Amino acid sequence: DAGVTQSPTHLIKTRGQQVTLRCSPKSGHDTVSWYQQALGQGPQFIFQYYEEEERQRGNFPDRFSGHQFPNYSSELNVNALLLGDSALYLCASSPGTGSGLWYGYTFGSGTRLTVV
Amino acid sequence: AQSVTQPDIHITVSEGASLELRCNYSYGATPYLFWYVQSPGQGLQLLLKYFSGDTLVQGIKGFEAEFKRSQSSFNLRKPSVHWSDAAEYFCAVGARDSGYSTLTFGKGTMLLVSP
Repeated sequence: DAGVTQSPTHLIKTRGQQVTLRCSPKSGHDTVSWYQQALGQGPQFIFQYYEEEERQRGNFPDRFSGHQFPNYSSELNVNALLLGDSALYLCASSPGTGSGLWYGYTFGSGTRLTVV
Repeated sequence: AQSVTQPDIHITVSEGASLELRCNYSYGATPYLFWYVQSPGQGLQLLLKYFSGDTLVQGIKGFEAEFKRSQSSFNLRKPSVHWSDAAEYFCAVGARDSGYSTLTFGKGTMLLVSP
């Protein structure tokens, strides 16, 4: 049973560009959350998608947007990239929006984004 | 708003010695608490979780954690550390808001294991 799959694994972008990161949740999971982990820091919550809608959002600017598809996969888009957006972006899935706390979120291995 | 503090940035333990990683949380209601481990270049793996009941919880890889409400702590322990335990460990508190849940993480503790 595949866990959470993220692509690409590494990405280098130039300041001002736009980037799209992709996530396929674990089988049976319908909720996807995105986290940003800067170097030396813990993951920070960006937003959560359920039933193709953004349900919760952390303290991130509108440059960060997302999408969830009918098959529960998700995309994270970041516009007008800044050097400070360089980080590991983690996707986490859970079976239901509130159930993540009961079952524990399943995390992917992340996408390492470097902005130069 | 909830928060998590992990006071130790780095800890070095000799192989075979016992380990305790500290975690303090702030949350207004009964917390959902988690410990995750992250190996270099990898995502997060759930070690254990607590939300009610017995305050001593057992996890994978021989880890356990004790919830102490009076101290707002959820420390992670292991009686005998193996070299493969070297990794970064994150404590997290879960919150539910209007039926949706999120995790707030601490900054992590890097565990180094010496021979």
